[in-house]
Amino acid sequence: KQEVTQIPAALSVPEGENLVLNCSFTDSAIYNLQWFRQDPGKGLTSLLLIQSSQREQTSGRLNASLDKSSGRSTLYIAASQPGDSATYLCAVNGANNLFFGTGTRLTVIP
Amino acid sequence: DAGITQSPRYKITETGRQVTLMCHQTWSHSYMFWYRQDLGHGLRLIYYSAAADITDKGEVPDGYVVSRSKTENFPLTLESATRSQTSVYFCASSDKGRGTNEKLFFGSGTQLSVL
Repeated sequence: KQEVTQIPAALSVPEGENLVLNCSFTDSAIYNLQWFRQDPGKGLTSLLLIQSSQREQTSGRLNASLDKSSGRSTLYIAASQPGDSATYLCAVNGANNLFFGTGTRLTVIP
Repeated sequence: DAGITQSPRYKITETGRQVTLMCHQTWSHSYMFWYRQDLGHGLRLIYYSAAADITDKGEVPDGYVVSRSKTENFPLTLESATRSQTSVYFCASSDKGRGTNEKLFFGSGTQLSVL
């Protein structure tokens, strides 16, 4: 069974700092990988999707990379803002199921 | 642009009662999913559906029933609610195999408490 791990569980950074969130998975036979954002009491919002054949995807200040062979993905957030405070989850897509990590709770301090 | 809506937003019920959580999407996505989110476990797949009248079990299906008579609706029923089913339930949809639409789109969730 696919296991997805996100470390650290929580992270606090000052506003303006660049940061990296990590995601690792145990089975490299994946279809794609997604990064999500979840605000308290809300659903998940898809940020970036990387197909298994791709190495990275960018959207604005966000850049996600994928190294399938080593079972790792990173989400890079540039010039962090207080509005980036949320929980970030990665999810690995197998055949017909997404396996989620438990997330990294990010706090950006003004 | 209604997207994907879940109802009710909050539900309190008693052990042994039947409860149905509703999910409706307006994109005509082929795939729909039900997840539950619990502290320490993250999101776990309960059931999914690849199309109308096609459903399949996920990781934690016991105690749940789904149906999909129409593409846009995917209700989740707890036949006899138990305290262990207290959780936040999320419905999601996607159009697998269609590029960026493969992204998973989530509803706002239903917070269910079983007393």
